[in-house]
Amino acid sequence: DQQVKQNSPSLSVQEGRISILNCDYTNSMFDYFLWYKKYPAEGPTFLISISSIKDKNEDGRFTVFLNKSAKHLSLHIVPSQPGDSAVYFCAAVGGSNYKLTFGKGTLLTVNP
Amino acid sequence: NAGVTQTPKFRILKIGQSMTLQCTQDMNHNYMYWYRQDPGMGLKLIYYSVGAGITDKGEVPNGYNVSRSTTEDFPLRLELAAPSQTSVYFCASSDNGGETQYFGPGTRLLVL
Repeated sequence: DQQVKQNSPSLSVQEGRISILNCDYTNSMFDYFLWYKKYPAEGPTFLISISSIKDKNEDGRFTVFLNKSAKHLSLHIVPSQPGDSAVYFCAAVGGSNYKLTFGKGTLLTVNP
Repeated sequence: NAGVTQTPKFRILKIGQSMTLQCTQDMNHNYMYWYRQDPGMGLKLIYYSVGAGITDKGEVPNGYNVSRSTTEDFPLRLELAAPSQTSVYFCASSDNGGETQYFGPGTRLLVL
């Protein structure tokens, strides 16, 4: 049973436009959420996170929104750049469990 | 500060062979993790460690063993390689449990 779901395997956007990546979760114990970015042949790198006590966290061009009632979070990238092209993983952790649960990832392609 | 390093980068094994995937971190992190990533899938936790001398199973531990004799090193052992273990293996570490994890570049393993 997938506790963290990224239902869009891929997303293509034009340079300069907004990219919106979505993530849904089922486990109510999750209280901290992270986004990782992964380039081919490299390990994932941490991008941005959000605690369940917040509904928004911003870092430069990246903003994560959390809707706890809908068990949904999204990552907004504005403006999108070709260097943002990568696989984005949503991850969650919660309760006394310090193990991350990852979604399957969304491949973002930003076209020049 | 090299972060998390993994060796080898790539390895081909024959069925039944054994090998050790090496992982070292120089950030003095207590928590270390091993994940595998299969094509089109998210990262699945194999084993983790909360400190030297302490290890525990993750989601997919069968066929693997780990040890943690020092804070820096967390090797992953495959005793009898099987084709199902063909995957990309990532090691990660974190200062606090669960939150931001720092990943190594990965080891691509092919079992034939």
